[in-house]
Amino acid sequence: EDKVVQSPLSLVVHEGDTVTLNCSYEVTNFRSLLWYKQEKKAPTFLFMLTSSGIEKKSGRLSSILDKKELFSILNITATQTGDSAVYLCAVVDNNDMRFGAGTRLTVKP
Amino acid sequence: EAGVAQSPRYKIIEKRQSVAFWCNPISGHATLYWYQQILGQGPKLLIQFQNNGVVDDSQLPKDRFSAERLKGVDSTLKIQPAKLEDSAVYLCASSLHSGANVLTFGAGSRLTVL
Repeated sequence: EDKVVQSPLSLVVHEGDTVTLNCSYEVTNFRSLLWYKQEKKAPTFLFMLTSSGIEKKSGRLSSILDKKELFSILNITATQTGDSAVYLCAVVDNNDMRFGAGTRLTVKP
Repeated sequence: EAGVAQSPRYKIIEKRQSVAFWCNPISGHATLYWYQQILGQGPKLLIQFQNNGVVDDSQLPKDRFSAERLKGVDSTLKIQPAKLEDSAVYLCASSLHSGANVLTFGAGSRLTVL
């Protein structure tokens, strides 16, 4: 059965800490992996990864994909309270997008 | 560029009642998706439209859920009759076409069934 598993489910850190969020997947025909940030409303797009070993970076956030080991990580450095959110990983298999349960990140001042 | 519009934002109903949610995707986006997100879980695809045709509705509980996109633009998702376990946020998303992986989501409609 196709699945997307995120860990940890929740994480509490203090401002300035660095965090690493994990996403592992098992799908039949992998096309891409996406990371979304969900605060109290709509998920907003962060990164799309299709190739192994190529880091995508945006400010303090970065992500990388390992297609051999079937996982991706999302790193956030120098965390801020505004980074508090649920981070969703989604894997596209043919035309289906399957989401993990998310990691709830809380950044305390 | 206007985003994906959804309404209502919140709805509270009793079990066995009916409810309808509306979505207007980004202009020009051919593909529209309805997701159900239960508290503490990731979004689960209910139905995907390409223009006004259904691409995937394999996870839609068709005995109580229905959706349409008659003119290939806005869409309505209906639940009749509602059950307690239907309490969730219903997210609408759109993309340029079915192969476009990046979805733009609406703010969601939060349903509480009592």
